[in-house]
Amino acid sequence: QKEVEQNSGPLSVPEGAIASLNCTYSDRGSQSFFWYRQYSGKSPELIMSIYSNGDKEDGRFTAQLNKASQYVSLLIRDSQPSDSATYLCAVSLNKFYFGSGTKLNVKP
Amino acid sequence: GAVVSQHPSWVICKSGTSVKIECRSLDFQATTMFWYRQFPKQSLMLMATSNEGSKATYEQGVEKDKFLINHASLTLSTLTVTSAHPEDSSFYICSASGGSFYEQYFGPGTRLTVT
Repeated sequence: QKEVEQNSGPLSVPEGAIASLNCTYSDRGSQSFFWYRQYSGKSPELIMSIYSNGDKEDGRFTAQLNKASQYVSLLIRDSQPSDSATYLCAVSLNKFYFGSGTKLNVKP
Repeated sequence: GAVVSQHPSWVICKSGTSVKIECRSLDFQATTMFWYRQFPKQSLMLMATSNEGSKATYEQGVEKDKFLINHASLTLSTLTVTSAHPEDSSFYICSASGGSFYEQYFGPGTRLTVT
């Protein structure tokens, strides 16, 4: 079992819709959770970090963490074509683990 | 967010030569730096983790004698690919962190082509 699981996609949403990206993790002791965005041919860029249960909002992005279900999600409101990228979920305990990423396509 | 630079951004070298890639944290002290490799359309693959002043910890399957990592200061880590071969051609990305539980900030990456 992988430490961090993500659906590889692609997830296609129309412009202006809400994109919902999901991630599950296996180690119940994980303490830190991150979402990164990676455009094709570029390195990952940190979007959100979340450390406690609940929601954390930053602009059009909302990260949701549910430690009981070992589940973290990222919502992107008012999706734009420029949001089209691969989104990587990362989880940290004593080591950093990345998921393989979900490819998001936002269609104009 | 924190800024991490990498140099060079791309390099072409001949088979059998060595290439050094530098990774610098510009506005924070990075106690831990990570080196990744990414092949086209594939996931990030962690190669090694280094803490300032300590030997790097390599992931299983990564040859420590081929990929030499030095983390001499809190702002600089280097990766040297020794005796490079065409199969070493890849996108090499470093990241820096203030510690294991904290965010990693990625450099822009170095595209290595070995001919």
